[in-house]
Amino acid sequence: NAGVTQTPKFQVLKTGQSMTLQCAQDMNHEYMSWYRQDPGMGLRLIHYSVGAGITDQGEVPNGYNVSRSTTEDFPLRLLSAAPSQTSVYFCASRTGRGNYGYTFGSGTRLTVV
Amino acid sequence: QQQVKQSPQSLIVQKGGISIINCAYENTAFDYFPWYQQFPGKGPALLIAIRPDVSEKKEGRFTISFNKSAKQFSLHIMDSQPGDSATYFCAASGGATNKLIFGTGTLLAVQP
Repeated sequence: NAGVTQTPKFQVLKTGQSMTLQCAQDMNHEYMSWYRQDPGMGLRLIHYSVGAGITDQGEVPNGYNVSRSTTEDFPLRLLSAAPSQTSVYFCASRTGRGNYGYTFGSGTRLTVV
Repeated sequence: QQQVKQSPQSLIVQKGGISIINCAYENTAFDYFPWYQQFPGKGPALLIAIRPDVSEKKEGRFTISFNKSAKQFSLHIMDSQPGDSATYFCAASGGATNKLIFGTGTLLAVQP
């Protein structure tokens, strides 16, 4: 099992550009989430999903879109990148039954200039 | 509004000492309280977790103490080792949405 795979690992964007951060898991997990990590702010929830076709907003959803067309994939789209979106982004997944432990990907470091 | 408050922000402990990190929460619907460990350049990894029906859970050198009435929980690392140097996050989830909300993290340095 590869676990949770995030691509790319690093990305530099210009202000106003759009891009999609990819996340895929091969554990048949129902729940998937996107977090951003900033110094002193911890991990803040952007969007999450409890299954294919179901998504909801987290703590900091503005400027980001998600969709969940399959169980395996949960891409995060930046519509018009801003310097405030410079961060490390983590995708995570877990089973929807019993075990609440999330498995995290290795992250995408995004810089918006 | 910070739903899960974590302290201290950083901690320095001597090898063999006890590291203690504290967290407090407001939402009484939370029913799952995990701790995650993160090394530089890596994603967080689940370390240990507790549910509110018990007051303590121990796994090796790591112990969670839980005080439901005070809405507080803490991580104790016994016999701290340099390899424990990492950032530790508390988190909480529960209620209708079951979102996992994190604290702001504690950077632990264990000096040899």
